[in-house]
Amino acid sequence: DQQVKQNSPSLSVQEGRISILNCDYTNSMFDYFLWYKKYPAEGPTFLISISSIKDKNEDGRFTVFLNKSAKHLSLHIVPSQPGDSAVYFCATTIYNFNKFYFGSGTKLNVKP
Amino acid sequence: EPEVTQTPSHQVTQMGQEVILRCVPISNHLYFYWYRQILGQKVEFLVSFYNNEISEKSEIFDDQFSVERPDGSNFTLKIRSTKLEDSAMYFCASSEGGVRGYGYTFGSGTRLTVV
Repeated sequence: DQQVKQNSPSLSVQEGRISILNCDYTNSMFDYFLWYKKYPAEGPTFLISISSIKDKNEDGRFTVFLNKSAKHLSLHIVPSQPGDSAVYFCATTIYNFNKFYFGSGTKLNVKP
Repeated sequence: EPEVTQTPSHQVTQMGQEVILRCVPISNHLYFYWYRQILGQKVEFLVSFYNNEISEKSEIFDDQFSVERPDGSNFTLKIRSTKLEDSAMYFCASSEGGVRGYGYTFGSGTRLTVV
């Protein structure tokens, strides 16, 4: 099942700079997209979401961009902070389908 | 803040044994889910549960798996005869209004090790 891909297993960024995490999907039926953050020994926690009717959603330091034609989703964190160091998963779903499809995750390391 | 509670945090079992993973969803939530993550791999959907029945399940969720909401507060995942490949982190989740509803919350997981 390769419907959702995060091609970068890890990313290292200096504190204060921008972190950009990417996600690609294959199924054009997906219409709702989310980013989850996961610390070791904890469950995923919801970060931000976007519906397919939008191309951008912003919440504080976090912005999610959706490019439907490219089937590409990205998460921008500005400015990055050491506390942002975690694994980030993108997830997606089809309306009325009762489950998420997750990417494999990108481990972000924000260096002080 | 309300949370989804999972017990135990770590369970070790012998191959062929039955295990029950327990979850206490958020009290006013109506939809319940199990996901799993094999080490180094993606989080995978197992099953969703609503109104006391399974609403959807994945190919992984075969006859060895079952779910139950025995008493109105707990939500359990049973694996009848564990295999080595069942070793994974198992996450329970609950939500008010399905996947697209508000407050879709994951528990911190149970690490299952089958030896």
